Amino acid sequence: KAGVTQTPRYLIKTRGQQVTLSCSPISGHRSVSWYQQTPGQGLQFLFEYFSETQRNKGNFPGRFSGRQFSNSRSEMNVSTLELGDSALYLCASSQQTVRGDEQFFGPGTRLTVL
Amino acid sequence: AQSVAQPEDQVNVAEGNPLTVKCTYSVSGNPYLFWYVQYPNRGLQFLLKYITGDNLVKGSYGFEAEFNKSQTSFHLKKPSALVSDSALYFCAVRDMSGNTPLVFGKGTRLSVIA
Repeated sequence: KAGVTQTPRYLIKTRGQQVTLSCSPISGHRSVSWYQQTPGQGLQFLFEYFSETQRNKGNFPGRFSGRQFSNSRSEMNVSTLELGDSALYLCASSQQTVRGDEQFFGPGTRLTVL
Repeated sequence: AQSVAQPEDQVNVAEGNPLTVKCTYSVSGNPYLFWYVQYPNRGLQFLLKYITGDNLVKGSYGFEAEFNKSQTSFHLKKPSALVSDSALYFCAVRDMSGNTPLVFGKGTRLSVIA
């Protein structure tokens, strides 16, 4: 089975721009979660989707949004980029037939905001 | 609210010696507990999890972890460290009872010295 894929792998944007990141989960996985990883803060939870419904949302401003499509692929969008948005954005998928299912992570998208 | 604490930012151990990476958690109900490892420039890889049953959980690459409910801990251990174990380790928790996301600790960097 192919793993979780994320595109693009690297992005450079300037302040004020917006960006869309994409995630394709492992085939058959219906749950997708997004995390922001920075050196000082570790992994911060952004969103969790299951069958196109947002099940949980982390403590991030409204500039951060996401969605999940019927094929379980997911996108997240960040509008009006700030310097502090520079981070590694990780997507993870799981079957979520039970809540104890482990998540499988993609390689991440490295976003740099100048 | 659920949370995870990894009290050590860095753990250094000599090759061949036993290693321990500490994790304590806080949830309102019973926990699902996970350990993940991150190698440089890669996403997170699942190591092991505790759902229920035996308190000693065995995982990938010879790692194991012990669930201690009274101390709310889930320390990661390995009897004999390898240089290739050097990486960033994350503990994560999810409350069994609620509709809550997976929450990660800030990570512990393990360095195994030859």
